[in-house]
Amino acid sequence: GEDVEQSLFLSVREGDSSVINCTYTDSSSTYLYWYKQEPGAGLQLLTYIFSNMDMKQDQRLTVLLNKKDKHLSLRIADTQTGDSAIYFCAEIRGSQGNLIFGKGTKLSVKP
Amino acid sequence: TAGITQAPTSQILAAGRSMTLRCTQDMRHNAMYWYRQDLGLGLRLIHYSNTAGTTGKGEVPDGYSVSRANTDDFPLTLASAVPSQTSVYFCASSDDRGGGELFFGEGSRLTVL
Repeated sequence: GEDVEQSLFLSVREGDSSVINCTYTDSSSTYLYWYKQEPGAGLQLLTYIFSNMDMKQDQRLTVLLNKKDKHLSLRIADTQTGDSAIYFCAEIRGSQGNLIFGKGTKLSVKP
Repeated sequence: TAGITQAPTSQILAAGRSMTLRCTQDMRHNAMYWYRQDLGLGLRLIHYSNTAGTTGKGEVPDGYSVSRANTDDFPLTLASAVPSQTSVYFCASSDDRGGGELFFGEGSRLTVL
């Protein structure tokens, strides 16, 4: 199947905003997700957006969804060193409703 | 709370040997999944189970088998390991297919020589 696309690396300075972009494939996905993976650990759900929404804000996190272009973005305001991790975009695909992940974007935050 | 427990944490295996990665959850979730994570490839779904007694193939099922005899356990078996199966394997579960959060284990790092 087609891939969920993300850039592999992003480097920002502490205090700046980070924007991680994702292009997904299944226009019928009801939910789109952002998961975070810290070093040596499993993934944890960071936030999600329902497909009938354009934007969702949760504290420092803002998710934007452009359904026409199948584009999802995650903005982290005031990025901290503790935000350094790999961020995965994910969509629900197919009749089985399995979660399909992108390759992940490694965010490095420099002091 | 334990959540998802995977074992072993790490294993080195000779090519051609068999291996079972264990996964147990204590959340009574219906759905369980096995993913493998490889550098540059992200997470890819190997097999899944919607409920006890049923299993299905994911994106990369070849060389792997699973069983789901009960709600809590979802073991992944490599019948005859090959070096391309060197990876980090993650088990996950969810209560609600098609929209529910996935809860992940800490991963099992497998090296096949």
